[in-house]
Amino acid sequence: DVKVTQSSRYLVKRTGEKVFLECVQDMDHENMFWYRQDPGLGLRLIYFSYDVKMKEKGDIPEGYSVSREKKERFSLILESASTNQTSMYLCASSKTGTGVSQYFGPGTRLTVT
Amino acid sequence: GEDVEQSLFLSVREGDSSVINCTYTDSSSTYLYWYKQEPGAGLQLLTYIFSNMDMKQDQRLTVLLNKKDKHLSLRIADTQTGDSAIYFCAERRPLTGKLIFGQGTTLQVKP
Repeated sequence: DVKVTQSSRYLVKRTGEKVFLECVQDMDHENMFWYRQDPGLGLRLIYFSYDVKMKEKGDIPEGYSVSREKKERFSLILESASTNQTSMYLCASSKTGTGVSQYFGPGTRLTVT
Repeated sequence: GEDVEQSLFLSVREGDSSVINCTYTDSSSTYLYWYKQEPGAGLQLLTYIFSNMDMKQDQRLTVLLNKKDKHLSLRIADTQTGDSAIYFCAERRPLTGKLIFGQGTTLQVKP
């Protein structure tokens, strides 16, 4: 079974702090994704990566950056957390190919106070 | 527009059928997906349909695709309390491979 793990289930940070969210997948997937989920808005893509050291902006990259130094790990960084970044963050991974689905981690609920 | 649209809430009684609807945007989308999210968990793939199909059945789940109207539906037969969750539809854009998600439909199953 594909396993996507996220470093924390719940996180509380203060405004202005630098925040790291870690995601690890164990199925040698090329592609990894970071989404945020907010009520009534569904999932919105923040950043994704097709390969090690490669990254692409998604639909809402402002205020975020990412790092992919190893194939299995994709990190989301909030350089200076703000209250409007309070959300559920979901990581996903997939193999390259037609029609393949994405496999999701359990999510990190981040609260910025 | 860019949005995949779903109604936000559906309530049914246990044993009834549930139908969750979705309207997507890109007629060239190759695959359409249904994901389920239980409370406190990530998204789990339920089923998917390729764009050249009209219908797909998998046990209690039936997916119907109307490509002309860009309408997708998920029918759950004999709905159980364990089916209570948020259901997301998603379309796969052919050029980028990105998934575009709807807002999610919260299904409430009353005993």
